[in-house]
Amino acid sequence: GQNIDQPTEMTATEGAIVQINCTYQTSGFNGLFWYQQHAGEAPTFLSYNVLDGLEEKGRFSSFLSRSKGYSYLLLKELQMKDSASYLCAVRDSNYQLIWGAGTKLIIKP
Amino acid sequence: DAMVIQNPRYQVTQFGKPVTLSCSQTLNHNVMYWYQQKSSQAPKLLFHYYDKDFNNEADTPDNFQSRRPNTSFCFLDIRSPGLGDAAMYLCATSRDGGSGANVLTFGAGSRLTVL
Repeated sequence: GQNIDQPTEMTATEGAIVQINCTYQTSGFNGLFWYQQHAGEAPTFLSYNVLDGLEEKGRFSSFLSRSKGYSYLLLKELQMKDSASYLCAVRDSNYQLIWGAGTKLIIKP
Repeated sequence: DAMVIQNPRYQVTQFGKPVTLSCSQTLNHNVMYWYQQKSSQAPKLLFHYYDKDFNNEADTPDNFQSRRPNTSFCFLDIRSPGLGDAAMYLCATSRDGGSGANVLTFGAGSRLTVL
């Protein structure tokens, strides 16, 4: 079967750095996405990785290692508004999106 | 602004009473999706349309139906809602279904409560 694993919940301090990991086992790989979802709202796109390495976008960066089936989302200079769930999704060989259950990130002052 | 709009945002229905949720888009995207998301769970794909081609996921219950009368609109019909159908229903669109950084744009969701 296909599977995406993420930690259920993480806590971090305002101003700090946090890394959210995602491991995947899918039938084929055609890209990995990170979405942010605030409570009760729709997911919004954060980043896309299809080649190995780091993609940086402001305070957010995403890393991919295809050989290890692994990605992480790095959030720097955390702000209270970053409190949200972060969803990892992988597009498989059939171009279907396989979603993780999300990591709930709690930011404390 | 181009966007995906879902109505209603909140829907309360009684057990077994049919419900229709709507989604409209001004992005001119050819793919539209309906997802069901329960609390702290991954979004679960129910259906998607590639233009007028309807694709039903194998494990989507028969209780759920969908219509796409034109490019801009899509509807989700729940014929006889049960307590287990209480969830957030998310509509999303994309330019195409496959290659490239094909990003999904989501609507704000319709939260369904079944009494």
